Amino acid sequence: GQQLNQSPQSMFIQEGEDVSMNCTSSSIFNTWLWYKQDPGEGPVLLIALYKAGELTSNGRLTAQFGITRKDSFLNISASIPSDVGIYFCAGLDNNNDMRFGAGTRLTVKP
Amino acid sequence: NAGVTQTPKFRILKIGQSMTLQCTQDMNHNYMYWYRQDPGMGLKLIYYSVGAGITDKGEVPNGYNVSRSTTEDFPLRLELAAPSQTSVYFCASSYLGKVEQYFGPGTRLTVT
Repeated sequence: GQQLNQSPQSMFIQEGEDVSMNCTSSSIFNTWLWYKQDPGEGPVLLIALYKAGELTSNGRLTAQFGITRKDSFLNISASIPSDVGIYFCAGLDNNNDMRFGAGTRLTVKP
Repeated sequence: NAGVTQTPKFRILKIGQSMTLQCTQDMNHNYMYWYRQDPGMGLKLIYYSVGAGITDKGEVPNGYNVSRSTTEDFPLRLELAAPSQTSVYFCASSYLGKVEQYFGPGTRLTVT
């Protein structure tokens, strides 16, 4: 099945900095989702995107559905220590299969 | 609502043993899923169910079995545990027609 390439694999940032991460594929996706996973917990849905070009915010988080339908971006503004965790992208492909990226591990230094 | 609950949280099995991972959701969701999460990898779908009495294989079903006798419960069975099944297992559910999946807290399984 189609693979999702998520980058970067990890990020170390200072509290207050902005963060950007992305997810790309060689194939078209119909829906993009962004999840956050805290240590020892399951992924929690942050943002869902349903059409190309869509830009959606959830507090300090903003995600975009790429215009080519092959990528998506997640930005976190003014990071705080509780933003620490692993961020996963997921996409629904043309076969209606959900694919997950390998995750971006975010560390925020106070 | 408790959402999606999973038991146990941790388990160590010896090679060849069997066990059942339990998953329950109280959101009246039609769809339920089992995933495994390996280090540095995206979630891989093991099995899914679109409703009581209906199950289907996902991407990595070998070595696992499932059943769905009720809307709420979706247990995952490992019959002959192998070291390759060492992983973190997540159950998830979603409402019919919705792509957003809600995950349980996971079961960390080690097979030695």
